[in-house]
Amino acid sequence: GDSVTQMEGPVTLSEEAFLTINCTYTATGYPSLFWYVQYPGEGLQLLLKATKADDKGSNKGFEATYRKETTSFHLEKGSVQVSDSAVYFCALSDHDSNYQLIWGAGTKLIIKP
Amino acid sequence: DAMVIQNPRYQVTQFGKPVTLSCSQTLNHNVMYWYQQKSSQAPKLLFHYYDKDFNNEADTPDNFQSRRPNTSFCFLDIRSPGLGDAAMYLCATSRDGFGSTEAFFGQGTRLTVV
Repeated sequence: GDSVTQMEGPVTLSEEAFLTINCTYTATGYPSLFWYVQYPGEGLQLLLKATKADDKGSNKGFEATYRKETTSFHLEKGSVQVSDSAVYFCALSDHDSNYQLIWGAGTKLIIKP
Repeated sequence: DAMVIQNPRYQVTQFGKPVTLSCSQTLNHNVMYWYQQKSSQAPKLLFHYYDKDFNNEADTPDNFQSRRPNTSFCFLDIRSPGLGDAAMYLCATSRDGFGSTEAFFGQGTRLTVV
């Protein structure tokens, strides 16, 4: 069945550092891919998404490109801020999952001033 | 403006005492979901409604029930909460299935069982 694998956290960076959080997936079809963010004590917010190969999702300075050849959807940001500290979840959805979200385990990001 | 509203934000209940969590939406979305999330782990889908059609996940305990009296509201009932049911409960909506459509989450209700 479908699955999502994320890099383990926590990831600790200094402010203005470059961020990459790796995400790879397994799916038989052509899934839609998502990154959700969860700030402390809050619910989940959609950060960005991509629905087909080579699409790039972007929002709030974050980007991720749907790479079918490597089955990856890595999250990147050029210069992180303390306010980016949160847990980031990679997820997919497709026909095989009955269009339910299949989640990665989440990666906690800590940004130090 | 909040589009998916969960009440209360924090709920304390006694072991074995029934508790109800509520969710409302202003998006007129067809689908409403209930998730359980423990300690910043990935959310675990409990069940969802597509309109009035109820879909239970196979591993959702019978202790968890849900009601959707109308498009806007959905309730999660925990009949006899145990200590292991302490968690964040998240409600989400989407226009149709998740697919390529965005899912909107509420802020969650953190349930404590004492």
